[in-house]
Amino acid sequence: KNEVEQSPQNLTAQEGEFITINCSYSVGISALHWLQQHPGGGIVSLFMLSSGKKKHGRLIATINIQEKHSSLHITASHPRDSAVYICASLRGTSGSRLTFGEGTQLTVNP
Amino acid sequence: DTAVSQTPKYLVTQMGNDKSIKCEQNLGHDTMYWYKQDSKKFLKIMFSYNNKELIINETVPNRFSPKSPDKAHLNLHINSLELGDSAVYFCASSQGSWGTSYEQYFGPGTRLTVT
Repeated sequence: KNEVEQSPQNLTAQEGEFITINCSYSVGISALHWLQQHPGGGIVSLFMLSSGKKKHGRLIATINIQEKHSSLHITASHPRDSAVYICASLRGTSGSRLTFGEGTQLTVNP
Repeated sequence: DTAVSQTPKYLVTQMGNDKSIKCEQNLGHDTMYWYKQDSKKFLKIMFSYNNKELIINETVPNRFSPKSPDKAHLNLHINSLELGDSAVYFCASSQGSWGTSYEQYFGPGTRLTVT
């Protein structure tokens, strides 16, 4: 079992739908990253959060430390949101070590 | 201006060769990383350097040797390349010293193909 688990692995949505991607981790962390990998391969950091909720445009990330769970939400999804979304746990006490989930492939159809 | 840059973007080489991938960051960050993304798109850390000092060295064959000439550069040298080394290699950087939690910034990746 991976230290970081994501669900679903694949997600297809229609434009405008509300999307949720889930991430669970098994060890204590100092922070959690949400990353977006574009079809061209580039990786962009979307959020880093250690508690509560963060919002950037149509993207919202939440984390529940007690439950070791985080969610990434996309409101009013658009085809340009199609990408792989990756969560990664950051264990600050043992160094700046990112452990990655396997990613969620999101396809938003027009 | 590119924050984290890698060269080359694509690298095709034959088994047994030695090759290097260069990484530079102009963000003034203290920590740099190398990650490998395999054919299943799974990312895994290989190395981390903090202020030119090796901090993380995951279970990576010793054919892989990182070199950090200064804080802004972390190069990856690979000896005796094998077919299984084919992957995309990402460099990243973050500010702050070891043990702190800062956002990481990724380079564009280097796609290595070993034939």
